[in-house]
Amino acid sequence: GDSVTQTEGPVTVSESESLIINCTYSATSIAYPNLFWYVRYPGEGLQLLLKVITAGQKGSSRGFEATYNKETTSFHLQKASVQESDSAVYYCALGDPNTGYQNFYFGKGTSLTVIP
Amino acid sequence: DMKVTQMPRYLIKRMGENVLLECGQDMSHETMYWYRQDPGLGLQLIYISYDVDSNSEGDIPKGYRVSRKKREHFSLILDSAKTNQTSVYFCASSLPGISGNTLYFGEGSRLIVV
Repeated sequence: GDSVTQTEGPVTVSESESLIINCTYSATSIAYPNLFWYVRYPGEGLQLLLKVITAGQKGSSRGFEATYNKETTSFHLQKASVQESDSAVYYCALGDPNTGYQNFYFGKGTSLTVIP
Repeated sequence: DMKVTQMPRYLIKRMGENVLLECGQDMSHETMYWYRQDPGLGLQLIYISYDVDSNSEGDIPKGYRVSRKKREHFSLILDSAKTNQTSVYFCASSLPGISGNTLYFGEGSRLIVV
């Protein structure tokens, strides 16, 4: 089936350290999946962090980046130097553009705490 | 400014009571969603609405129903709430585009059923 698996949290990192949150997907019924990272800051709803719709491309936002790797079916989220304000829950998601209304499949979320 | 608004943000109900969660969006998006999020389970799709009076079950529709009488409003109804419906509920709307659909989420409604 179609699904997303991501790093289980919680993850704790010190400020200015590097970060990687792993995400792998299964898209058995989706020919050209779209990949997303959403973030939920404390007390807020989910918001789009970045998205990539073409295999081999990289998306970036707020210092985060992720590359759509079709060979390894991965979309890992990376940041070279995290800040305390990056503390949030991060969700990897898979979308099917061919459904017309795009069904989304979300990972379970990775809670990140950045300590000063 | 694109916004999805959920009401109420917090709600405590007794088992067997009815629950109404409301969602509004100001972007004229056709497609809207209700998800629930539980620890360790991520987001699970309850219902999807393609437009007014055009709704479909998601992955976990049992115990829920929805209503969409205006494009900008999408309601989630629990008739006779159960304790296992304690959760955080998220409404979202979808903007299609050539660069892929994007979901816009509300801030969530935390429901506790006692």
